[in-house]
Amino acid sequence: DAGVTQSPTHLIKTRGQQVTLRCSPKSGHDTVSWYQQALGQGPQFIFQYYEEEERQRGNFPDRFSGHQFPNYSSELNVNALLLGDSALYLCASSPGLPNTEAFFGQGTRLTVV
Amino acid sequence: TQLLEQSPQFLSIQEGENLTVYCNSSSVFSSLQWYRQEPGEGPVLLVTVVTGGEVKKLKRLTFQFGDARKDSSLHITAAQPGDTGLYLCAGQTGANNLFFGTGTRLTVIP
Repeated sequence: DAGVTQSPTHLIKTRGQQVTLRCSPKSGHDTVSWYQQALGQGPQFIFQYYEEEERQRGNFPDRFSGHQFPNYSSELNVNALLLGDSALYLCASSPGLPNTEAFFGQGTRLTVV
Repeated sequence: TQLLEQSPQFLSIQEGENLTVYCNSSSVFSSLQWYRQEPGEGPVLLVTVVTGGEVKKLKRLTFQFGDARKDSSLHITAAQPGDTGLYLCAGQTGANNLFFGTGTRLTVIP
C-alpha cells in the first residue's frame, strides 16, 4: 500500500512565477491537508480539503490556493512567488473522522530565486 | 491562533544520557501528537495522547499529556544515536488540522 506521495520532490522557481504541487493521499483517506515548513521551523497549516472543498484554512494569503479531485488527490497552487515562499511543502492525508492519525508525504522542497 | 512552544530548541547529548522535551500551549487540544522528522522527509507519528494526565510508553520513550490538555512532555531514557532527529509536538483540533510546535532538534553523540 503506497503511502502519501508528493511530486515533484524538488523545484526551483523564479520570483513572481506560479507553482503547482501535487499530492496523492494514502489509500482509503479522503482528507488532505497542506503544510508549509520553513527551514528550522515546525510545519504551518495552510488548508485542508475534504469532499473537494476547502474545509479549513490557516493564516496564509490568497496567493495560496488548492484543489481536490474526485479521487481525493490534491494540488497546491502558489501565485506570484516570493523569496519567502521557499520552504518544504508537506501534504498529509487522513480519514474524514475527528482525531484520527494523519500520514505525511516526504514533501516538496521549493526554492524561489 | 493556537501556539505551541517547545523547549529546548536544540539539544546535544552523549549516548546513554536521559533527556526531556517540553511542549506548552495556552490552548486546549482534543489530542496531542508527537512526531519525529528526518532531514528531507515528512514527520512520522510517534504517539497520540488524548486524555488529560495520560502517560504512554514506547520502548525508551515516555510521553505525558498535561491534566489540562495544554502541555506535554517527551522523555527519552538512555538516548542512542538513532534517536537523533527533529521532534515535533502538534495539537489537534476536532477538524484534524494540526498546530505544530517550534520543534526540538536532538543530536545524540556516540
